[in-house]
Amino acid sequence: IAGITQAPTSQILAAGRRMTLRCTQDMRHNAMYWYRQDLGLGLRLIHYSNTAGTTGKGEVPDGYSVSRANTDDFPLTLASAVPSQTSVYFCASSESGGGNQPQHFGDGTRLSIL
Amino acid sequence: GQNIDQPTEMTATEGAIVQINCTYQTSGFNGLFWYQQHAGEAPTFLSYNVLDGLEEKGRFSSFLSRSKGYSYLLLKELQMKDSASYLCAVLDSNYQLIWGAGTKLIIKP
Repeated sequence: IAGITQAPTSQILAAGRRMTLRCTQDMRHNAMYWYRQDLGLGLRLIHYSNTAGTTGKGEVPDGYSVSRANTDDFPLTLASAVPSQTSVYFCASSESGGGNQPQHFGDGTRLSIL
Repeated sequence: GQNIDQPTEMTATEGAIVQINCTYQTSGFNGLFWYQQHAGEAPTFLSYNVLDGLEEKGRFSSFLSRSKGYSYLLLKELQMKDSASYLCAVLDSNYQLIWGAGTKLIIKP
């Protein structure tokens, strides 16, 4: 079934540790996104990529980094996790960036930083 | 600043009609999306409006008034499975999506 796969599903992590959240899509979409979703707040964009080889900063990029080596994969790395990064992280993709195409979401990664 | 306002929570009865409102103040406008998100799941796309008026899609309709910075999602013949959060998102002048916090819809039998 075509779609977006995120891993892990959930993770508990000690503060200060490094963590990479994985995201893979098989729809050949050009654009990919990472969001965090916190209770009472809207989805907030962390980083995005409009095409393989390029990335951009979203609304809340500090403490996170991304790479886009190919079309399918868009990992998100927390270099040194802090408790404020406890959240649900969603990866999404769309046919192209900056347009009216709907975004398709993965099932999310629930991350707790202790 | 940019702002999307939606009611936090609404309750409706199975079989009835409910209207979920969304008002926005953004730097530019290039369209408005509605998504549905069941608890613990991913958001899924419902509708997209860029021109004023009503777009109907089965039991769900979405309305847009750009001059008023206003949209609503209309759900008819409510079913228990419609219990979910409904997210409004606006594509701003930089083609970035600005998301509302969502409206939690509770359906009662």
